Amino acid sequence: DAKTTQPPSMDCAEGRAANLPCNHSTISGNEYVYWYRQIHSQGPQYIIHGLKNNETNEMASLIITEDRKSSTLILPHATLRDTAVYYCTIITQGGSEKLVFGKGMKLTVNP
Amino acid sequence: NAGVTQTPKFRILKIGQSMTLQCTQDMNHNYMYWYRQDPGMGLKLIYYSVGAGITDKGEVPNGYNVSRSTTEDFPLRLELAAPSQTSVYFCASSETGMGRPNTIYFGEGSWLTVV
Repeated sequence: DAKTTQPPSMDCAEGRAANLPCNHSTISGNEYVYWYRQIHSQGPQYIIHGLKNNETNEMASLIITEDRKSSTLILPHATLRDTAVYYCTIITQGGSEKLVFGKGMKLTVNP
Repeated sequence: NAGVTQTPKFRILKIGQSMTLQCTQDMNHNYMYWYRQDPGMGLKLIYYSVGAGITDKGEVPNGYNVSRSTTEDFPLRLELAAPSQTSVYFCASSETGMGRPNTIYFGEGSWLTVV
């Protein structure tokens, strides 16, 4: 499975959009981009995933570049409760089913 | 719908003791996983299972054992507890791949301290 690179941390003002980047330059054609987050030692929570098209759900939007080598998770109106560690990860469709997480990125939403 | 349930939530073990962390899911998922998370670090995969009777090692399997006799249950066994196994343990499950994306659901975690 492809590896991902995220900055270690990011700050965002409450009410503003939070744009969380992720690089996955070695991603293959059958690999999905997944985003999870973990709020202070709770179990990780699924946010969104995508293959090549942009995706949106009630939590966030996912923008994947045309070459699929990077993506951005967008929280449109960040709240204090969005403060968490965000994990970008890659998983192969129909391949190895184990999900491997890196260190993630700490997002701090400030009042 | 309970999802993924782990027990116990908290446990203190003495060095050399053994224990089993229980994990059960009620979503009929074929795939189950055990992760550990050390303070300030990311998640590391210990073991995983793609179905009843099938288990495989992850990144950090040493010191642990698992079994998968049913679809619902995936217990994690620590045979000789060591201080290095002090961590938070997360169990997770996901539905079968079968060409579909693999969304994983996590339990709330089990805090283990070895003294």
